[in-house]
Amino acid sequence: DQQVKQNSPSLSVQEGRISILNCDYTNSMFDYFLWYKKYPAEGPTFLISISSIKDKNEDGRFTVFLNKSAKHLSLHIVPSQPGDSAVYFCAASPGTASKLTFGTGTRLQVTL
Amino acid sequence: DADVTQTPRNRITKTGKRIMLECSQTKGHDRMYWYRQDPGLGLRLIYYSFDVKDINKGEISDGYSVSRQAQAKFSLSLESAIPNQTALYFCATSDTPYGQGVDTQYFGPGTRLTVL
Repeated sequence: DQQVKQNSPSLSVQEGRISILNCDYTNSMFDYFLWYKKYPAEGPTFLISISSIKDKNEDGRFTVFLNKSAKHLSLHIVPSQPGDSAVYFCAASPGTASKLTFGTGTRLQVTL
Repeated sequence: DADVTQTPRNRITKTGKRIMLECSQTKGHDRMYWYRQDPGLGLRLIYYSFDVKDINKGEISDGYSVSRQAQAKFSLSLESAIPNQTALYFCATSDTPYGQGVDTQYFGPGTRLTVL
C-alpha cells in the first residue's frame, strides 16, 4: 500500500520556466511533508519542508504548497535551472515519530 | 570529509553469501536509518535506531539484520543474500528531537549491491 504517491515518473521543463512536481498521500496522520533531491551517485539531500498547519512554505526559488483536504502537495521551482535536474522525492511523517515515508520519485530534466 | 559515509560503495556478491554494509557518521546524531532504493519503488525503510540501545524494524526488514555498535556506527547485514536484494542501499541520520517536529534526515552516498 503506497501511502505517498508521485504519479509522474518524469518531467521535462525548459530553463527559466516553472517546474511543478506533485505528490499525493493517503494517510491522514501525516503532519509534516518534505522534499528531497537526489543526484546520480549521491544520497538524497533535504530541500524544503512544510507543516500541516501551513499551506505554503517558500525558500528562494522553491515553494511547497499543501492542500490538506485533497491530501496533495506540490513543489514549485521558479525559475528552473539546469542544475535542478535530479530525482525529487516527497516524504511524509506523522510528526510525533521519526519515520519518513517516501514517494517513488519524479525525475526532473531542465533543458536549455 | 563527508558527514555520513558508507562502505563499500559497490559490492557484487553471490546468492547465499553473508554481507555487511557499514555506515559511519560524524554529525553526532542519535538516530540512524537504513533504506533501500529500487526503481519505481522509491526509498523503503529497512531498520532504524533511535539510540545505541534501540533498534526497530522498518517496513521491509525480512532478510536483514542490523547492529548499532556505537552512536556513530550502524551496520546492515544480509545473512544469506538473494538476487532480489540487489538494490541501492542508503544510510541516514537525524537528530530532530522526538515529538518536536519534522525529522530532517541526512543521507550517505549509498552502496550499490548486486547479488548474483
